[in-house]
Amino acid sequence: DQQVKQNSPSLSVQEGRISILNCDYTNSMFDYFLWYKKYPAEGPTFLISISSIKDKNEDGRFTVFLNKSAKHLSLHIVPSQPGDSAVYFCAASAPYGGATNKLIFGTGTLLAVQP
Amino acid sequence: DTGVSQNPRHKITKRGQNVTFRCDPISEHNRLYWYRQTLGQGPEFLTYFQNEAQLEKSRLLSDRFSAERPKGSFSTLEIQRTEQGDSAMYLCASSLALNFDRAWYGYTFGSGTRLTVV
Repeated sequence: DQQVKQNSPSLSVQEGRISILNCDYTNSMFDYFLWYKKYPAEGPTFLISISSIKDKNEDGRFTVFLNKSAKHLSLHIVPSQPGDSAVYFCAASAPYGGATNKLIFGTGTLLAVQP
Repeated sequence: DTGVSQNPRHKITKRGQNVTFRCDPISEHNRLYWYRQTLGQGPEFLTYFQNEAQLEKSRLLSDRFSAERPKGSFSTLEIQRTEQGDSAMYLCASSLALNFDRAWYGYTFGSGTRLTVV
């Protein structure tokens, strides 16, 4: 049972354009969402997060949008740069006082930014 | 650099052998996690420690797997009688507890140990 889904295995965009990566989830108990970026042979690195009490969070070129009613979130990268080429994982958690803060990951989307 | 350190980076072992991986978390982080990632999949939760206590284990963690975190510092993950299906990237991560008053930055992952069972 895949609770966090990234339905696009790959995405190719031109440098300078917008990259939009999508993620859907099924568990309404999730209330914190994160995006991680992963280069080959390295561990995932944190990119940006959003709490369920918000619908948007922005950090420089990266913006995450959350639509709770649709159980959908998206990561926008503007403008895209070749160094953004990596696998992007969406992750969700249901943190509540003293709990595990276990993250459930999607299967990832490989972003290729063409120069 | 005070990131999460994992050793070894790569391990090739014969089926049936035992292997042990080590993780050194960020020193001030009290939470430590082990995840496993196979090709084409996202990381899957294996187990979680808060300080030295192992508080949760996934169904993925069969009896052949054991993890420890003595004194709440480094952690080890041991796989006994390895099988070819154990071949994966084993990721360790650490974090502080979530504080609802500020943004949570999730975990800090190590670079992982890639296990190949032949």
